[in-house]
Amino acid sequence: GAVVSQHPSWVICKSGTSVKIECRSLDFQATTMFWYRQFPKQSLMLMATSNEGSKATYEQGVEKDKFLINHASLTLSTLTVTSAHPEDSSFYICSARPSTGFEQYFGPGTRLTVT
Amino acid sequence: AQRVTQPEKLLSVFKGAPVELKCNYSYSGSPELFWYVQYSRQRLQLLLRHISRESIKGFTADLNKGETSFHLKKPFAQEEDSAMYYCALGSSGSARQLTFGSGTQLTVLP
Repeated sequence: GAVVSQHPSWVICKSGTSVKIECRSLDFQATTMFWYRQFPKQSLMLMATSNEGSKATYEQGVEKDKFLINHASLTLSTLTVTSAHPEDSSFYICSARPSTGFEQYFGPGTRLTVT
Repeated sequence: AQRVTQPEKLLSVFKGAPVELKCNYSYSGSPELFWYVQYSRQRLQLLLRHISRESIKGFTADLNKGETSFHLKKPFAQEEDSAMYYCALGSSGSARQLTFGSGTQLTVLP
């Protein structure tokens, strides 16, 4: 089956620092990857859509300068939270979609805690 | 704008009882609907998609365009069905984004 990995699975950082989260599709090529944010006991909120080789499309209200997304290859997308603040603490989940079809395969998520 | 509504945050049923998780959607185009499940401490995984009309783990869901609903049903719930269930609506744009409902936490009691 299609597997998506995320690294790290959890990270603690100090306020003002930047954190990079990687999302990899392990056994398929993903032309599109998605980044979600999930608050405790809430649903997934789409943050941005990234296509390989082009700029990410951000959802309304998501600061593109704070959440930098790079989709450098068909198997890797990264999310960098710049100048992190405590309010950025959350569970970040990525998903990857093969070139055909709607199905998205989800990563296990990354727990970010900003102190 | 597209929207997915799951009216029940929590749902508890006894083992062997029927279960129905409600999902209503709002979308101007032809909808692509999905049910995703998230078991405790596991990643989100696809349970059903309406276009395939398949039954997974005894669950079925029928798209009712008149009522704009896509309710998930199982005739006899099992304890291992306890999980968070999300209904999702796919957009028709090239990105094919998913809009998720708020989720329903299903607990199947012994």
